[in-house]
Amino acid sequence: QVQLKESGPGLVQPSQTLSLTCTVSGFSLTSNSVHWVRQPPGKGLEWMGGIWGDGSTDYNSALKSRLSISRDTSKSQVFLKMNSLQTDDTAIYFCTRELAYWGQGVMVTVSS
Amino acid sequence: DVVLTQTPSILSATIGQSVSISCRSSQSLLDSDGNTYLYWFLQRPGQSPQRLIYLVSNLGSGVPNRFSGSGSGTDFTLKISGVEAEDLGVYYCMQATHAPWTFGGGTKLELK
Repeated sequence: QVQLKESGPGLVQPSQTLSLTCTVSGFSLTSNSVHWVRQPPGKGLEWMGGIWGDGSTDYNSALKSRLSISRDTSKSQVFLKMNSLQTDDTAIYFCTRELAYWGQGVMVTVSS
Repeated sequence: DVVLTQTPSILSATIGQSVSISCRSSQSLLDSDGNTYLYWFLQRPGQSPQRLIYLVSNLGSGVPNRFSGSGSGTDFTLKISGVEAEDLGVYYCMQATHAPWTFGGGTKLELK
């Protein structure tokens, strides 16, 4: 069955770079898109960006200068890297296959 | 960016009551390919979002048929015909017609 699981550090210092991995199973990354969505504590959802089956990417313009999404199809993994983190980047980060299937999310706190 | 305005922000209901949530867009969500990329999600407390409706009115896999979606252009509605206890949580509309994809602010469904 389709599964997605996010992993990464729970704590990141301000100004540092966040690196997250979404490990998927039950489908091919070359046939489906995977997107990242985040949710600050107690707040709503924000689409960050995604990588399509052909490897092309789209980013939220508000984050584009800091964000990079890539993948390793041989490992069934999608990566998120975002630099210059600030405290308002504290959030739960979800990966999702085309909005139909979602990971459990990973909480990332930006704090010194 | 497209702004999605959901009303009401809080909805109190009794079990068995039928309720509706409105989602209004700042721009038409009709894409040049003829599709309208408007989705509805439910996020139960402590859980990942669950897709309920895609392309305005199509029921997601495994979603009970008491949920229905309607609308066109800039005005959309999610209806629950007979609220059940498992329906409590926050509902979000989302558009993927225009980049960046954007979510509404959410509607919290609670028991009266």
